[in-house]
Amino acid sequence: GQNIDQPTEMTATEGAIVQINCTYQTSGFNGLFWYQQHAGEAPTFLSYNVLDGLEEKGRFSSFLSRSKGYSYLLLKELQMKDSASYLCAVTDSNYQLIWGAGTKLIIKP
Amino acid sequence: IAGITQAPTSQILAAGRRMTLRCTQDMRHNAMYWYRQDLGLGLRLIHYSNTAGTTGKGEVPDGYSVSRANTDDFPLTLASAVPSQTSVYFCASSDSSGRANEQFFGPGTRLTVL
Repeated sequence: GQNIDQPTEMTATEGAIVQINCTYQTSGFNGLFWYQQHAGEAPTFLSYNVLDGLEEKGRFSSFLSRSKGYSYLLLKELQMKDSASYLCAVTDSNYQLIWGAGTKLIIKP
Repeated sequence: IAGITQAPTSQILAAGRRMTLRCTQDMRHNAMYWYRQDLGLGLRLIHYSNTAGTTGKGEVPDGYSVSRANTDDFPLTLASAVPSQTSVYFCASSDSSGRANEQFFGPGTRLTVL
């Protein structure tokens, strides 16, 4: 079956760096997304990786290793507004998006 | 309209009643989706439509039906609501010409079935 694993919850300190991991087992691979979802709101797009390596976008970076079925989202200089859930999702061979359950990130002052 | 709208924002419904959740997008995306999101379970796909006139079943389709008469609208109907259908429902759309199935979400409908 298809499966995406990510930690349920993480806690970090304002100003610090946090890495949220995602491992996946899917039938085929056509890209990996990270979405951010604030409580009570809709998910919004953060990043997309289809080739191995690191994609940097401001304070956020996303890494992909297709051979290991592994990705991480790196958040630098954490701000209180980064408190949210972070969803990992993989596009499979049928172009269906398979979602992880999400990682709730708690930022403490 | 800009993006995807959903109505109603929230609803409390008696068990056994029929309910239609509305979703409209103005981005001319060919594909649309309905998800439910429950605590600890993440997003689960209910039904999808790859193009107007076609629909398909997702992971949790039982008790729900959809139609796609045109590109913009994708209503979700609960024929006879049950308490286990209490959830937050998100509609999403994607354009096959963009990143592989990048999906754009509506604001959600919070449904409570008593």
